[in-house]
Amino acid sequence: DIRMTQSPASLSASLGETVNIECLASEDIYSDLAWYQQKPGKSPQLLIYNANSLQNGVPSRFSGSGSGTQYSLKINSLQSEDVATYFCQQYNNYPPTFGAGTKLELK
Amino acid sequence: EVKLVESGGGLVQPGRSLKLSCAASGFSFNDYWMGWVRQAPGKGLEWIGEINQDSSTINYTPSLKDKFTISRDNAQNTLYLQMSKLGSEDTAIYYCARQLPYYFDYWGQGVMVTVSS
Repeated sequence: DIRMTQSPASLSASLGETVNIECLASEDIYSDLAWYQQKPGKSPQLLIYNANSLQNGVPSRFSGSGSGTQYSLKINSLQSEDVATYFCQQYNNYPPTFGAGTKLELK
Repeated sequence: EVKLVESGGGLVQPGRSLKLSCAASGFSFNDYWMGWVRQAPGKGLEWIGEINQDSSTINYTPSLKDKFTISRDNAQNTLYLQMSKLGSEDTAIYYCARQLPYYFDYWGQGVMVTVSS
């Protein structure tokens, strides 16, 4: 299985700040990567697919980038509603695998 | 509006079986791959498996292949997950999700399964 390593595991940031979350794959996943946001007590919501494509309805302050084994999710101008845990997921190889998550809190 | 509603969860004894359902609405169910993902309490997400539109292709994560069975009824717009030989390690929230086809654009609210004596 492809291992997805997310960093940091937790993050504290201020309103209006820019936040970066990293995801490292154990092998090349050719941009077959999605990012999800999970708010406490809720199901995950798709933010980004194909490493950098923004899902319909997701605010433009979210963006994804990367290639090969290294990917990142960027949140510009952090809002209070962005407090959540963020997961990456590779779908290049079976089985699809997720990162352990990055918990984002407000400072 | 796309809606996925899981049901059938609850408390089950170790070694027993349980069948989860996922009722879909707001989209053409028989046009999409569907999948199941679970999340143990306080943990990350684990892909269980998927089923294509006409049930001709069903894939599982290898460690669950002999315990779990995914099926669907397109006439009823319903996805199923039959779980057998349940153990404490299967305690989790179980989500059904619409696949596109390898990532998930809509998720249900989840259903809790607790395996305990």
